[in-house]
Amino acid sequence: DVVLTQTPHSLSVTPGQPASMSCKSSHSALHSDGKTYFYWYLQKPGQSPQLLIYEASNRFSGVPDRFAGSGSGTDFTLKISRVEAEDVGVYYCMQRYSFGQGTKLEIK
Amino acid sequence: EVQLVQSGAEVKKPGESLKISCRASGYSFTTSWIAWVRQMPGKGLEWMGNIFPADSETIYSPAFQGQVTISADKSISTAFLQWNSLKASDTAMYYCARRSSLDYWGQGTLVTVSS
Repeated sequence: DVVLTQTPHSLSVTPGQPASMSCKSSHSALHSDGKTYFYWYLQKPGQSPQLLIYEASNRFSGVPDRFAGSGSGTDFTLKISRVEAEDVGVYYCMQRYSFGQGTKLEIK
Repeated sequence: EVQLVQSGAEVKKPGESLKISCRASGYSFTTSWIAWVRQMPGKGLEWMGNIFPADSETIYSPAFQGQVTISADKSISTAFLQWNSLKASDTAMYYCARRSSLDYWGQGTLVTVSS
């Protein structure tokens, strides 16, 4: 089974400042087809999760360009260039249907 | 517009059976996997299993194999998640989501099991 470890557990950021979070996997996300099947989701308070990033670095439809996913193999990062109030919630990484435990983003 | 609309909240007693649904629209239902994801109160996300509606092929997480049944009815573009005998520990929010990327999610169905 894939084990995903997210850090930090929580993050408190001033609006307009950047934020960064990490997800480390126990198994490489690189598939034999050359694609990296790694995803990031945001679950806003009281809402369903929503897909932000697919295949490690591609923004899903409608996701603002302040969100950027990077990484390869077993180490991945999600960065928000300028945090906005609407970005609060829990961020989850996912690989092969295993989820990380989440990083909670709060606004200072 | 892709939409997954789930059935409403349920309150059940231990030992009762339950079947919840996820109705898809805005795309060809038979061409994409549907996944079910559990979120227990205050906890994270857990993948339960998938179904491919075209042929009803199912894959279950080992943690949920034998505990639930996933099915689909192509004629009404709807996937289902069912329990034969609920336990208090099944109390959770259940989400359906499309494709292996989980690109679109339903609004969730809250299942409460209490005596």
